[in-house]
Amino acid sequence: AQSVSQHNHHVILSEAASLELGCNYSYGGTVNLFWYVQYPGQHLQLLLKYFSGDPLVKGIKGFEAEFIKSKFSFNLRKPSVQWSDTAEYFCAVMRYSSASKIIFGSGTRLSIRP
Amino acid sequence: EPEVTQTPSHQVTQMGQEVILRCVPISNHLYFYWYRQILGQKVEFLVSFYNNEISEKSEIFDDQFSVERPDGSNFTLKIRSTKLEDSAMYFCASSTEYEQDGELFFGEGSRLTVL
Repeated sequence: AQSVSQHNHHVILSEAASLELGCNYSYGGTVNLFWYVQYPGQHLQLLLKYFSGDPLVKGIKGFEAEFIKSKFSFNLRKPSVQWSDTAEYFCAVMRYSSASKIIFGSGTRLSIRP
Repeated sequence: EPEVTQTPSHQVTQMGQEVILRCVPISNHLYFYWYRQILGQKVEFLVSFYNNEISEKSEIFDDQFSVERPDGSNFTLKIRSTKLEDSAMYFCASSTEYEQDGELFFGEGSRLTVL
């Protein structure tokens, strides 16, 4: 069965620090990969997604992620975080087929010190 | 921008009562999903629905749960006899039929509190 691992449960950074959140998945076939963000009290929002092509994907709010197939990884990065980035970040994977469900990782809580 | 809407935003119910959570997916979407998130835990898949039938369901989605699309717009999740452990945020999501576009669009969630 496919699974998604996020090894950082809680990350605390100061503003302007660089961010990298780890995500690894286990599935041998073709996958679509996502990062979702959940701001306090809000619903899940898509940050970025990878389906095919350039493995370096740019998303909203200055976030990017790199798909490394050989490592089954899809780490999220941002060069300089802001206080408003405080949120829960979920990595997710979907098998490459229509109507397939998304499987979420356990999430990483990001706290930014102003 | 089209969005998935869910009602109610918060429901409090007594254990053993039936609850119906409603969702209006994005109008041209054909695949529908329910997920739940128990407070402080990960988002868990419950069920996917296509062409008026369940495509896939998780082990969480036992006989007390059911889904239906009673008309052309609503997609409902029914919990027949609620238990304390059903307290969670329930998210509805929808997606298009095209293979290249697997993005799920989520609603804002319905918080269920079972007392």
